[in-house]
Amino acid sequence: QVSLVQSGPELKKPGASVKVSCQASGYTFTSYGISWVRQAPGQGLEWMGYISAYTGNKYYAQKVQGRVTLTTDRSTTTVYMELGNLSSDATAMYYCVRDKGGGDGPGIFDFWGQGTLVTVSS
Amino acid sequence: EIVMTQSPATVSVSPGERATLSCRASQSISRNVAWYQQKPGQAPRLLIQAAAIRATGIPTRFSGSGSGTEFTLTISSLQSEDFAVYYCQQYDKMVTFGGGTRVDIK
Repeated sequence: QVSLVQSGPELKKPGASVKVSCQASGYTFTSYGISWVRQAPGQGLEWMGYISAYTGNKYYAQKVQGRVTLTTDRSTTTVYMELGNLSSDATAMYYCVRDKGGGDGPGIFDFWGQGTLVTVSS
Repeated sequence: EIVMTQSPATVSVSPGERATLSCRASQSISRNVAWYQQKPGQAPRLLIQAAAIRATGIPTRFSGSGSGTEFTLTISSLQSEDFAVYYCQQYDKMVTFGGGTRVDIK
């Protein structure tokens, strides 16, 4: 069965960076992409970026462009999301999602990780 | 950026009744729309893709329709487990989500 297991909660200070991992299993890793979606407390969903596990193509949302970096490790079927220059408005639950979009870009999110809570506070 | 606008923000429905949720795109997106359900403390779950295709395991009481800029999610006979927040998402040009519609018990 498809599983996306994310790393644990993080507490960071403003200006710091955070790196969250997402290990995928139960499917052919290179046949799908991974997107990252975040949700601030009590708020809606915000797409942050996408990486194709096959081509390595990446697409980022304009709002976080320049501050977020997605990488993959095919040997461990793990995707990493690093977000820099954190401010309090980055406090949110961060989800990795299996993305049915091909190498052309993000698409449909059919499986979700359990989420990683990132808290930014001085 | 394509803006997705959902309405209403909250709808109150009695169990067994029909709920109709709307989603409007700021420009034409063909049928490149998905719908998700989110319950408190849980990750969202894919319900509908390509505007009208139910995801695996989704009950037939959930149906989607629309194309272009206007989309609808209909829950034909609300069950207790359907009270949740519903989000539409476009994937025609990158990805954006609507603000969500909360379905409450009347």
